[in-house]
Amino acid sequence: QVHLVQSGTEVKKPGASVKLSCKTSGFIFSNYAISWVRQAPGQGLEWMGWISGYNAHTDYSQNFQGSVTLTTDTSTTTAYMELTSLRSDDTAVYFCASSRSGAGYFESWGQGTLVIVSS
Amino acid sequence: SYVLTQPPSVSGTPGQTATITCGGNNIGSKSVHWYQQKPGQAPVMVIYYDGDRPSGIPERFSGSNAGNTATLTITRVEAGDEADYFCQVWDNSIVVFGGGTKLTVL
Repeated sequence: QVHLVQSGTEVKKPGASVKLSCKTSGFIFSNYAISWVRQAPGQGLEWMGWISGYNAHTDYSQNFQGSVTLTTDTSTTTAYMELTSLRSDDTAVYFCASSRSGAGYFESWGQGTLVIVSS
Repeated sequence: SYVLTQPPSVSGTPGQTATITCGGNNIGSKSVHWYQQKPGQAPVMVIYYDGDRPSGIPERFSGSNAGNTATLTITRVEAGDEADYFCQVWDNSIVVFGGGTKLTVL
């Protein structure tokens, strides 16, 4: 059974960085890609980027190019998302989601991590 | 960049049919996926590849895609279907979501 378990709530000050984790299990990590999706309070879903579990290739949304870094640890089948230079409008729930390589859809999602950016 | 347009809200009466549209330029040439999100929860995929249903999703959920509009249809609407629904496509290695539609069951 596929599971994506995300790290807990983070509270950060403006200008700081945050690194979130997404521990996966139940599937062959190298056959999948992990995406990160942001949802601001009361808003829709915003895709940030994805990373291949096979070769760590990444693609980023233009909106996050330069401020987001996606990485993986294949030994623990964990994906990470680091967001730098945080601003108050980065306050949101951040989801990780898995997609089989080439599939184009997100078959499983993590429970989400709330990031609060406040001085 | 590619844009997907959804109506902000749709309402349905229990037992009736609700339809949610997702508009995009020549979207019929792309594969469209749909997600249901209830308050405080992660999204759940309800339709993939335009009209396929994941295991565990009721047959009441169906999808179609042609021309400039993809459609999610929910027949025999139930109170438990009240949620936000998002369409999604891949466009040149980039993921695009629609703005979401809130389905209210009256």
